[in-house]
Amino acid sequence: AQTVTQSQPEMSVQEAETVTLSCTYDTSESNYYLFWYKQPPSRQMILVIRQEAYKQQNATENRFSVNFQKAAKSFSLKISDSQLGDTAMYFCAFSWDSNYQLIWGAGTKLIIKP
Amino acid sequence: EADIYQTPRYLVIGTGKKITLECSQTMGHDKMYWYQQDPGMELHLIHYSYGVNSTEKGDLSSESTVSRIRTEHFPLTLESARPSHTSQYLCASSGRRPGNTIYFGEGSWLTVV
Repeated sequence: AQTVTQSQPEMSVQEAETVTLSCTYDTSESNYYLFWYKQPPSRQMILVIRQEAYKQQNATENRFSVNFQKAAKSFSLKISDSQLGDTAMYFCAFSWDSNYQLIWGAGTKLIIKP
Repeated sequence: EADIYQTPRYLVIGTGKKITLECSQTMGHDKMYWYQQDPGMELHLIHYSYGVNSTEKGDLSSESTVSRIRTEHFPLTLESARPSHTSQYLCASSGRRPGNTIYFGEGSWLTVV
């Protein structure tokens, strides 16, 4: 079975610090796609970053970057210089070529403290 | 921001009432989804569609039904609402290729009293 595990239900850091959210997954597929989504309180879920498994280079989007370890099936999200607006639920998810749906993790609640 | 719209955003109704949650997208996406999410919890897929006249049930059993008569429109209906249906319902859409980003609406908060 394809699964996604986020082992940190909740995290909190001070503003401007760096924080890493962990995500591991289990799949036997060879080609797949990994995502981090952000859901701010009472606001729309949006894509933070996306990684294609066949690409060795880690994806980055401004202050957000991933550490993709394919052999270990790990896909952690690093947020640098955290801001108050980063406070949100963060969901890790993946899909693969023969499946059109996303498999979602349970989410990590991230609180950025002033 | 993505062009996917849900109405109503908030709804409080009595038990036994019929409700329809509307979802529309202007991106021409083939695939559309309905997720159910309790506050601060994970997402559960309840319905999805690959295109017009295509609907499938998701992983979480739901008493709701959906229809896809037009590409842009994917309404969800509850024939007889119950307090157990109280939750947030998220509509989403994506292109047809595997690995495409899924775009979400702002959600519909349903409270059944």
